[in-house]
Amino acid sequence: KAGVTQTPRYLIKTRGQQVTLSCSPISGHRSVSWYQQTPGQGLQFLFEYFSETQRNKGNFPGRFSGRQFSNSRSEMNVSTLELGDSALYLCASSLVGGLRTDTQYFGPGTRLTVL
Amino acid sequence: DAKTTQPPSMDCAEGRAANLPCNHSTISGNEYVYWYRQIHSQGPQYIIHGLKNNETNEMASLIITEDRKSSTLILPHATLRDTAVYYCIVRAYSGNTGKLIFGQGTTLQVKP
Repeated sequence: KAGVTQTPRYLIKTRGQQVTLSCSPISGHRSVSWYQQTPGQGLQFLFEYFSETQRNKGNFPGRFSGRQFSNSRSEMNVSTLELGDSALYLCASSLVGGLRTDTQYFGPGTRLTVL
Repeated sequence: DAKTTQPPSMDCAEGRAANLPCNHSTISGNEYVYWYRQIHSQGPQYIIHGLKNNETNEMASLIITEDRKSSTLILPHATLRDTAVYYCIVRAYSGNTGKLIFGQGTTLQVKP
């Protein structure tokens, strides 16, 4: 079974631009979560989607948004990029999320650099 | 979710067992202990999880104390490829959220 895939793997943008990252979950998984990893803050939860609905959100500004499609694929968008948005963005999928043995499996991440 | 405490770094000789401790003294009865590791700049890799019994899989063993306030991840024969940051996470089993709260983890350096 193929793992979680994320595209693109690397991205360079300039301040003020916007960016869209894509995540394809493991086949059969319906929950997709997004995380941001920076050297200063570590791994932080952004949001979680299940059945095309956001059901949990971390403490990030409204410039960070996401969506999930009917095939469970997910995208996240960051608008008006700031230098501090430079990070590794990770996507994780699980069967339905929140169940006792519902393990999250992570993708390789998208490395975003904002210049 | 309960907070966890891990040593910031540990060394282990190649071929020896690596024992990584984690304290989670405020863990609740329905909270699982999960372990992930992250090799430099890659996505975190799931290792193992448990509730109260010891668990073993092809990668590692997880020993949880009887009072569930601490646990130890054991890599039985560490190799250089096991050098990574290891995260211990305590996660509530009920509710509908898939959120994981990562701490700073333990950087394990396996040395030849």
